[in-house]
Amino acid sequence: RKEVEQDPGPFNVPEGATVAFNCTYSNSASQSFFWYRQDCRKEPKLLMSVYSSGNEDGRFTAQLNRASQYISLLIRDSKLSDSATYLCVVGSRGGSQGNLIFGKGTKLSVKP
Amino acid sequence: ETGVTQTPRHLVMGMTNKKSLKCEQHLGHNAMYWYKQSAKKPLELMFVYSLEERVENNSVPSRFSPECPNSSHLFLHLHTLQPEDSALYLCASSRGGLAVSGELFFGEGSRLTVL
Repeated sequence: RKEVEQDPGPFNVPEGATVAFNCTYSNSASQSFFWYRQDCRKEPKLLMSVYSSGNEDGRFTAQLNRASQYISLLIRDSKLSDSATYLCVVGSRGGSQGNLIFGKGTKLSVKP
Repeated sequence: ETGVTQTPRHLVMGMTNKKSLKCEQHLGHNAMYWYKQSAKKPLELMFVYSLEERVENNSVPSRFSPECPNSSHLFLHLHTLQPEDSALYLCASSRGGLAVSGELFFGEGSRLTVL
């Protein structure tokens, strides 16, 4: 089983749509969870952390289910500018700096 | 404008060449990283430096040789590479331990093509 698994997409949605991405992770000892965003030909950037209680940032909602080892990202009212690849990232203690494991990413394309 | 700058942005080299990738961070962070991003693969951690000391080497072939002369600069020296080493090489920095904050600041990457 891959350490962090995501549906690669692409997800093609119209503007204004609601879209949800899912991610599963294999290490039950994982301690921290994040979504990164990577625009085409650009570097990844942290979008938001994911907390057990769920968290929301504007149109973006992240949820964590530790029992199922599952993370989700919901984007409401999609904008053209949301088109990017969304990377699920899981952190664990390991090495002296901790360790982040990246998923392959889910590509989102928002169309007019 | 990114606080982590990488040069060159693009590099084409033959298998017998020697070249170096350079990374500089202007964020006052104490940890720096090299990642490899290949098509259809997740980001792979290559090396971690904390306070200029290499703390992790993720089974990377010896044809890749990192150097961290100070906390702001990181190099990746390349020699006798293979075509399968063609990828985007991303430098990143962080303020401290990753497991909690999870925030890496990436440079724009150096796209390497090995002929």
